[in-house]
Amino acid sequence: EPEVTQTPSHQVTQMGQEVILRCVPISNHLYFYWYRQILGQKVEFLVSFYNNEISEKSEIFDDQFSVERPDGSNFTLKIRSTKLEDSAMYFCASSLPRGRYEQYFGPGTRLTVT
Amino acid sequence: GQNIDQPTEMTATEGAIVQINCTYQTSGFNGLFWYQQHAGEAPTFLSYNVLDGLEEKGRFSSFLSRSKGYSYLLLKELQMKDSASYLCAVRDGANNLFFGTGTRLTVIP
Repeated sequence: EPEVTQTPSHQVTQMGQEVILRCVPISNHLYFYWYRQILGQKVEFLVSFYNNEISEKSEIFDDQFSVERPDGSNFTLKIRSTKLEDSAMYFCASSLPRGRYEQYFGPGTRLTVT
Repeated sequence: GQNIDQPTEMTATEGAIVQINCTYQTSGFNGLFWYQQHAGEAPTFLSYNVLDGLEEKGRFSSFLSRSKGYSYLLLKELQMKDSASYLCAVRDGANNLFFGTGTRLTVIP
């Protein structure tokens, strides 16, 4: 069964450093998303991406964040200058664009900022 | 804005039935999803409702009333492996999901 994959599974970085989280969505999906989940809290929407551009973004997704689809398979989330409060699990998801099509989530990248 | 409420924790006995409620107030509605999330893992899809009524899928059923902003997830014949968090999520017109805080279900023998 096709699945969303994410790398790395765990990333430790120092405050102020840049990180890039990588995702490979399901191959025939057209919508891509990033969510984050701070430990013990709810899953929060960050950004959606369709047709090579951002469709929607939340208040959390400020100028420190960016997304890119550098080739036909990868979808990346970059945090330019990490803060302690960026420590969270980051989930990538993908979906078909219409109807009931559910979003399939990757296993997540646990980001720890020290 | 999006406001999605569900109970924080529930406990139920193996073999029993449990109902997890979700109420929502959202700007834009394009379906309601239930996801299961085991600790430290990704959410996995359980069910989807966009019209009023009950959707049944094996041991899991989900109900929606759009006029009341209300949904529930019904789990029958509970098994120990059903111990997990159950996330109610509303999809807006732009296909983005907004999650509730989740209900942590503990199944006891």
